[in-house]
Amino acid sequence: NAGVTQTPKFQVLKTGQSMTLQCAQDMNHEYMSWYRQDPGMGLRLIHYSVGAGITDQGEVPNGYNVSRSTTEDFPLRLLSAAPSQTSVYFCASSYRQAGQAKMVTEKLFFGSGTQLSVL
Amino acid sequence: AQSVTQLDSHVSVSEGTPVLLRCNYSSSYSPSLFWYVQHPNKGLQLLLKYTSAATLVKGINGFEAEFKKSETSFHLTKPSAHMSDAAEYFCVVNRLALEFYFGTGTSLTVIP
Repeated sequence: NAGVTQTPKFQVLKTGQSMTLQCAQDMNHEYMSWYRQDPGMGLRLIHYSVGAGITDQGEVPNGYNVSRSTTEDFPLRLLSAAPSQTSVYFCASSYRQAGQAKMVTEKLFFGSGTQLSVL
Repeated sequence: AQSVTQLDSHVSVSEGTPVLLRCNYSSSYSPSLFWYVQHPNKGLQLLLKYTSAATLVKGINGFEAEFKKSETSFHLTKPSAHMSDAAEYFCVVNRLALEFYFGTGTSLTVIP
C-alpha cells in the first residue's frame, strides 16, 4: 500500500514552461487536494476534488489547472510557469466517514512533496 | 470566512519542560480543528483532531489540545518536551469538510 505518491520529487523549470505534477493514491479516497507551502505562509490550498469529474478552487488557484478523470489520480498543471510558483507542493487525500452522507473528512494523507523551482 | 492564527512563529523550550503552541481560529461554522506536525524534510502527520466531541483532545506522542469556544482557541500542549518534538507545527481549520485552512506554522526548538 503506497498511500499518496507524488512525482517528481524535484523539478526546475524556466519561466513560461509548462509541466504537470503527478499525484496518485491507492486508498480509494474520494477527496484529493493540492497545497503549496511557502516560508512563513503555511500550506495554502490550490485546488481540491471530491470525486472523479468534480474539482473546485481553493485559496490560491490562479496559474494552476487540475482535472480528476479517475479516483486514483489528481494531476496539477502549470501552463506557463512563473517564478512566483517556486514552492514545495503537497498532494493530500482523504475519505468519507463511514455512514456519513456528506464528505466529512477527518484526516489528510499527504504525499512526500514536490520541490519546484522556476527560474 | 475561516482562518487560523498561530500566535508564535518560533517557540523554544528546554527538554523536559512543558510545551504550549497557541492557535486561534475564526469560523462561520462549527469547525473541525486539527494539529499537524512536519519534521524536517518530511511530510505532514496528523497529531490530533477536534470534531465537536470532547473539548479536550488527546493526540499522539503525548500531545493534547483543548477547544475553547469562548476564546476561539485550540492551543496545543505537552507536559514534557522531548528532543524528537522539534518540528514545525500547523493548526488547521476545516470548512464544510472540504477546505482545510492551515496556519502559518510554529517552529518548535527543544534545547537539550
